[in-house]
Amino acid sequence: SQTIHQWPATLVQPVGSPLSLECTVEGTSNPNLYWYRQAAGRGLQLLFYSVGIGQISSEVPQNLSASRPQDRQFILSSKKLLLSDSGFYLCAWSGTYSNQPQHFGDGTRLSIL
Amino acid sequence: GNSVTQMEGPVTLSEEAFLTINCTYTATGYPSLFWYVQYPGEGLQLLLKATKADDKGSNKGFEATYRKETTSFHLEKGSVQVSDSAVYFCALGDPFNKFYFGSGTKLNVKP
Repeated sequence: SQTIHQWPATLVQPVGSPLSLECTVEGTSNPNLYWYRQAAGRGLQLLFYSVGIGQISSEVPQNLSASRPQDRQFILSSKKLLLSDSGFYLCAWSGTYSNQPQHFGDGTRLSIL
Repeated sequence: GNSVTQMEGPVTLSEEAFLTINCTYTATGYPSLFWYVQYPGEGLQLLLKATKADDKGSNKGFEATYRKETTSFHLEKGSVQVSDSAVYFCALGDPFNKFYFGSGTKLNVKP
């Protein structure tokens, strides 16, 4: 069966520090991969999605970037964190055929001080 | 364009009450529709799905029917339990599996 792992589960970082969140998927090949941010008590905002290695689409101009160095690895990064980057970050994957559900990781709670 | 509108919460019910959470959508083409549930501090879990008009998705006592004529996908459960307390998200998936989520509806079930 397929599984998705995100880490770390929680992270506290000072303003201006770098960020690297990692997501890996097991049990499937060539998945679509997604990064979302969820502000407290709010809905989900799609940040990036990827349909293959090195292929990244950005949905919202921002202080973050994403990379997909391997088929089942998706990384969310920042060179300098802002206070507004605080939130709950979720990684998800889906199959490549139409009408596939997305499957979510457990999320990373990021607090910026 | 594609979008999803959900009823605002929180919705507060007593145990064994009937639940309806409204969801309507706008879409180009023929989307798939999903309901997800999120418990505090966790990621989203797929609750049910429907891929074409008139399909009914069901799981754990929850049901939703894909109504193209009313562009709706309302979530229902006949008898809620305290353990159903969570945030529920309606989502639309386009043919490329890009999703559009509603803003979420928080459900509180009191014993």
